[in-house]
Amino acid sequence: DSGVTQTPKHLITATGQRVTLRCSPRSGDLSVYWYQQSLDQGLQFLIHYYNGEERAKGNILERFSAQQFPDLHSELNLSSLELGDSALYFCASSVDSYGETQYFGPGTRLLVL
Amino acid sequence: DAKTTQPNSMESNEEEPVHLPCNHSTISGTDYIHWYRQLPSQGPEYVIHGLTSNVNNRMASLAIAEDRKSSTLILHRATLRDAAVYYCILRFYNQGGKLIFGQGTELSVKP
Repeated sequence: DSGVTQTPKHLITATGQRVTLRCSPRSGDLSVYWYQQSLDQGLQFLIHYYNGEERAKGNILERFSAQQFPDLHSELNLSSLELGDSALYFCASSVDSYGETQYFGPGTRLLVL
Repeated sequence: DAKTTQPNSMESNEEEPVHLPCNHSTISGTDYIHWYRQLPSQGPEYVIHGLTSNVNNRMASLAIAEDRKSSTLILHRATLRDAAVYYCILRFYNQGGKLIFGQGTELSVKP
């Protein structure tokens, strides 16, 4: 158990819909990272937040957005969903902004039908 | 972005050492070398990282070539629970914690 929690574990929705994935970092960690894992693209970095501020962006689509709240939990919002958005979404946390050691959650499996 | 190259798969026997190679010929001076692994149906798990010197921890050892263009993750005694995909990743110091995952090496361990 990494100490990072993600909800929900599974999510099934339809194309065009919007969903919100939630992540609670390990106690004391200030950074949250989001990654997407799909069969064709592998593990891809999406975005990094540190203490409420966006620090780095990867290949995150404009239809996707994220935020980190004052209690340090984070949400990843996915809108106008397409079939290709079906994937595992992982959240990771680290104690600082350098991310030397990132602790990954169990992931949210999203299926878009 | 500097890239890493790893074999797609490797096999090992239980209780024998495993050497997982990684090439990163375009590494820059401030890039750290990280290894993560992903067990089936789980999120990635940190294994080890280093900059220039060899590193040891309770999970593994990391041997870094003198020119830093390659590295080797060493599992001293493979167990069945070490069967996983092992990712060698370069972390860019000036880009915070952004991890760029490659395809990784799928390690299978035979009893």
